[in-house]
Amino acid sequence: AIQMTQSPSSLSASVGDRVTITCRASQDISDDLSWYQQKPGKAPKLLIFAASSLETGVPSRFSGGGFGTSFTLTISNLQPEDFATYYCLQDYNHPSMTFGQGTRLEIK
Amino acid sequence: QITLKESGPALVKPTQTLTLTCSFSGFSLTTSGVGVGWVRQPPGKAPEWLAVIYWNDDKRYSPSLKNRLTVTKDTSRKKVVLRMTNMDPVDTATYYCAHRRPYDYVWGTYHYAGFDSWGQGVQVTVSS
Repeated sequence: AIQMTQSPSSLSASVGDRVTITCRASQDISDDLSWYQQKPGKAPKLLIFAASSLETGVPSRFSGGGFGTSFTLTISNLQPEDFATYYCLQDYNHPSMTFGQGTRLEIK
Repeated sequence: QITLKESGPALVKPTQTLTLTCSFSGFSLTTSGVGVGWVRQPPGKAPEWLAVIYWNDDKRYSPSLKNRLTVTKDTSRKKVVLRMTNMDPVDTATYYCAHRRPYDYVWGTYHYAGFDSWGQGVQVTVSS
């Protein structure tokens, strides 16, 4: 099974900062990776699919990159509503989809 | 607008079978490429993918839970049902259903945008 290693597990930042979260796959997954934002008590929300495509309605300060085994989610100009937990999901090795372990983004 | 909503028991006993229903609107499960998946999330942990069913009745299951899971669909009633047998306290989690949207079709293969719409989730506790 493909393992997804997400880092860091937690991150402190201030409003206006730029932050980057990384997901690494244990093998090549092409660009079959999506990113999600989750707030307490809520379902995950799709931000990025196909590694770098911005989901409709998601602010352009969110961007994704990478291919193969290394992927990034970058949030520019952090806003108060961006403080949440972020997860990556690979679905290359379907049917075995795998989520990363999550990155908790906290206010500094 | 796509909406999904999970329903089912909040409490099940160990060894019982859990049956969850996902009622959806805003899309059809007869549209080529479309799927509905199930994901669960134990308290304080990362989500875990469980199963997905597609428009053509193709069904895929998490290898680690395959023997316990069954997913079915009723396209006319716009419902998807997940059954999980032999429930254990470690299965305590919030269970979500989610829409799976294809964004491309290349060489006979659909490429998917992950899970683009989610239900609110249903919290399930396994305890005697």
